[in-house]
Amino acid sequence: DAGVIQSPRHEVTEMGQEVTLRCKPISGHDYLFWYRQTMMRGLELLIYFNNNVPIDDSGMPEDRFSAKMPNASFSTLKIQPSEPRDSAVYFCASSFKGVSTDTQYFGPGTRLTVL
Amino acid sequence: GQQVMQIPQYQHVQEGEDFTTYCNSSTTLSNIQWYKQRPGGHPVFLIQLVKSGEVKKQKRLTFQFGEAKKNSSLHITATQTTDVGTYFCAGPHYNTDKLIFGTGTRLQVFP
Repeated sequence: DAGVIQSPRHEVTEMGQEVTLRCKPISGHDYLFWYRQTMMRGLELLIYFNNNVPIDDSGMPEDRFSAKMPNASFSTLKIQPSEPRDSAVYFCASSFKGVSTDTQYFGPGTRLTVL
Repeated sequence: GQQVMQIPQYQHVQEGEDFTTYCNSSTTLSNIQWYKQRPGGHPVFLIQLVKSGEVKKQKRLTFQFGEAKKNSSLHITATQTTDVGTYFCAGPHYNTDKLIFGTGTRLQVFP
């Protein structure tokens, strides 16, 4: 199995631009998670999906962030407009059957730099 | 809100020395997971503990879940340079089931 796939691996953009991060979860996994990691705030859960349906988006910082999962094999996290404080590593993860009782498999991450 | 703290924040050891990181939750946990993140990498699942007082071993790594299920520890015997990375504990949020990650302990091993 290829594992969780994320693209791009690195993104550098200017403030005000739209950024779209992409994720392909492990086939057969019912749950998909988007995390953000920074030195200051650590690893934070932004949103997660169960069977393509958003379940909890309470971690999404503000309206500039949105996430979709149009099918079982693809999800996007969009930031519009981007700001320098959005600079972080964004991880996508998936799990087979559970949120906190099952192993979460992380993708390699997208390192986002907003200038 | 619920907090999961880890100490120490950083640990530098000489290769061959032992290492321990401690994880403390502000609430009782139904289970606890441990992940390792290599520098520049992504978190990788190590183990899950469920029972009060449970102890599990993986080669040189020993994981323990406290009797009150509010704390946990990871002990590495005779560290190697391949142990370098940040170790995170993670437990379920008390009423949403989301996984809350600890603050992490970064381990550096000098040869």
